[in-house]
Amino acid sequence: NAGVTQTPKFQVLKTGQSMTLQCAQDMNHNSMYWYRQDPGMGLRLIYYSASEGTTDKGEVPNGYNVSRLNKREFSLRLESAAPSQTSVYFCASSSQAGTEAFFGQGTRLTVV
Amino acid sequence: KNEVEQSPQNLTAQEGEFITINCSYSVGISALHWLQQHPGGGIVSLFMLSSGKKKHGRLIATINIQEKHSSLHITASHPRDSAVYICAAILTDKLIFGTGTRLQVFP
Repeated sequence: NAGVTQTPKFQVLKTGQSMTLQCAQDMNHNSMYWYRQDPGMGLRLIYYSASEGTTDKGEVPNGYNVSRLNKREFSLRLESAAPSQTSVYFCASSSQAGTEAFFGQGTRLTVV
Repeated sequence: KNEVEQSPQNLTAQEGEFITINCSYSVGISALHWLQQHPGGGIVSLFMLSSGKKKHGRLIATINIQEKHSSLHITASHPRDSAVYICAAILTDKLIFGTGTRLQVFP
């Protein structure tokens, strides 16, 4: 997916460990998002940022924190990972009014 | 209740069949994306539409903003169309996703 770079692609954590998922876009988009995707649940919004310097909670924010470091970068942090956070995480960005939307390749996270 | 509902959740078809996936939403939106996700792959936007109909190859998407409904049609389906199709409603400052429709097309 052109323009949105998400790292890492895979990660295994032990319960209680912390980690940060990185996301960067080079399309000058204002809005950026973090979603998690679980079987049968679809994509659920964790946090989003409508512009540099602002962040808002989505549907499932508990256990996560985010930082909109600048217009390009939006990171997701798990301070103390739990098995319930085992999921596939997607970062996305969109243009004003959402006319363009691009997604990262996803991060498959397993918490044991 | 999800703000964006998709049906069916799962769909199987024989190669060549005409496919319809539906998306309805309960919130006011400005437009909607249809997305495609292949197994193990990323997510790409197929269409963004705010009114009427758009066509790209064998894919056709329609939307009726007043009725809060959109459909994605695939004509002459092919096994390579097998994927998860997701509609995403565009609100003022965020996207809200449906739960997706898993399509399998058999030869």
